[in-house]
Amino acid sequence: KAGVTQTPRYLIKTRGQQVTLSCSPISGHRSVSWYQQTPGQGLQFLFEYFSETQRNKGNFPGRFSGRQFSNSRSEMNVSTLELGDSALYLCASSGSGGNYEQYFGPGTRLTVT
Amino acid sequence: GENVEQHPSTLSVQEGDSAVIKCTYSDSASNYFPWYKQELGKGPQLIIDIRSNVGEKKDQRIAVTLNKTAKHFSLHITETQPEDSAVYFCAAPRVTGGGNKLTFGTGTQLKVEL
Repeated sequence: KAGVTQTPRYLIKTRGQQVTLSCSPISGHRSVSWYQQTPGQGLQFLFEYFSETQRNKGNFPGRFSGRQFSNSRSEMNVSTLELGDSALYLCASSGSGGNYEQYFGPGTRLTVT
Repeated sequence: GENVEQHPSTLSVQEGDSAVIKCTYSDSASNYFPWYKQELGKGPQLIIDIRSNVGEKKDQRIAVTLNKTAKHFSLHITETQPEDSAVYFCAAPRVTGGGNKLTFGTGTQLKVEL
């Protein structure tokens, strides 16, 4: 089985712009979770989508949003980028059973200048 | 919500020695405890996990132990090799509300020296 894929792998944006990141989960997995990883805050949960619905949400401002398509692919969007949004954004894929096993993609490295 | 503490933050061992990383969690309802290994430039890789109905699980050179009473779990790596050098994360789920949210520890940088 192919693993979790994320595109793009690297991205440089300017403060104030918006960005969209994409994640394709493992075939057959219906849950996609997004995490932000920074040296200072570590791995922090952004949100989870299951069957095109947001099932969980972390403590991030409304500038961070996401969606999931009928084929389970997910996108996350960050509007009005700030310097502090520079991070590695990781997507994790899980089966439908709510058994918590999550498999991560390689991440998208976002740099905001 | 769930709070996960991880120690130590850095660990240096000689090749062939054992390494132990410890985590504590706050939510007594948590029932799943994974460990991830993250190498430079890669996403976290699930290396072993344990559920609350067992106290220990082993997979070749790695093992995880769980003490539900004390709310802590540990990763044990025996016969360490240079390729074990990486950052290791423990995690625990937020059980209330359903879904797959994991709370991660702050990570342990393991360095295996020749």
